[in-house]
Amino acid sequence: DQQVKQNSPSLSVQEGRISILNCDYTNSMFDYFLWYKKYPAEGPTFLISISSIKDKNEDGRFTVFLNKSAKHLSLHIVPSQPGDSAVYFCAASEDSSASKIIFGSGTRLSIRP
Amino acid sequence: NAGVMQNPRHLVRRRGQEARLRCSPMKGHSHVYWYRQLPEEGLKFMVYLQKENIIDESGMPKERFSAEFPKEGPSILRIQQVVRGDSAAYFCASSQRGREYDEQYFGPGTRLTVT
Repeated sequence: DQQVKQNSPSLSVQEGRISILNCDYTNSMFDYFLWYKKYPAEGPTFLISISSIKDKNEDGRFTVFLNKSAKHLSLHIVPSQPGDSAVYFCAASEDSSASKIIFGSGTRLSIRP
Repeated sequence: NAGVMQNPRHLVRRRGQEARLRCSPMKGHSHVYWYRQLPEEGLKFMVYLQKENIIDESGMPKERFSAEFPKEGPSILRIQQVVRGDSAAYFCASSQRGREYDEQYFGPGTRLTVT
């Protein structure tokens, strides 16, 4: 029973364009959402998060959008850079302390020159 | 300022042996979390510990798996009588706590291979 779903296992985007990664969830008790980035042979690195009371959070080139009614969130990266090539995990938690995080299966983003 | 450290990075065990995975949290962090990642899947929460306490072990298999975070020393994830299905990457994370949202910092992981 996957509570956090990333339906696109991979995505290829041209350098300089916008990358949009999507995520759906089923648990209406989720209160906090996070995006992590992972390079091979490394642990995940926190990117950006959003509380359920907001619908948008921006940090530099990264913006996360939350649509609670659709149980959908997305991560926008603009402009995309070669160093953005990695696996991106969407994650969620039932409380803002995020002690127990539920991860999606990840989307592999490739930025082509 | 060292990050979360895990050792060994790679561990090979034969079926039936024991595996011990170690995690040293970031300096000043007193909360540790263990996750398992199977091939082509996301990370799955296993257990959340504070010093000398297990706070949430709802993701731990009922048998063969145990975790501890003693007053002194690293956190240990122990897998007894390993089977092939235990082959995975095991990630540890740590956090400081005390704030509304406390970011979890992840270590590089231990890749366990059971032969």
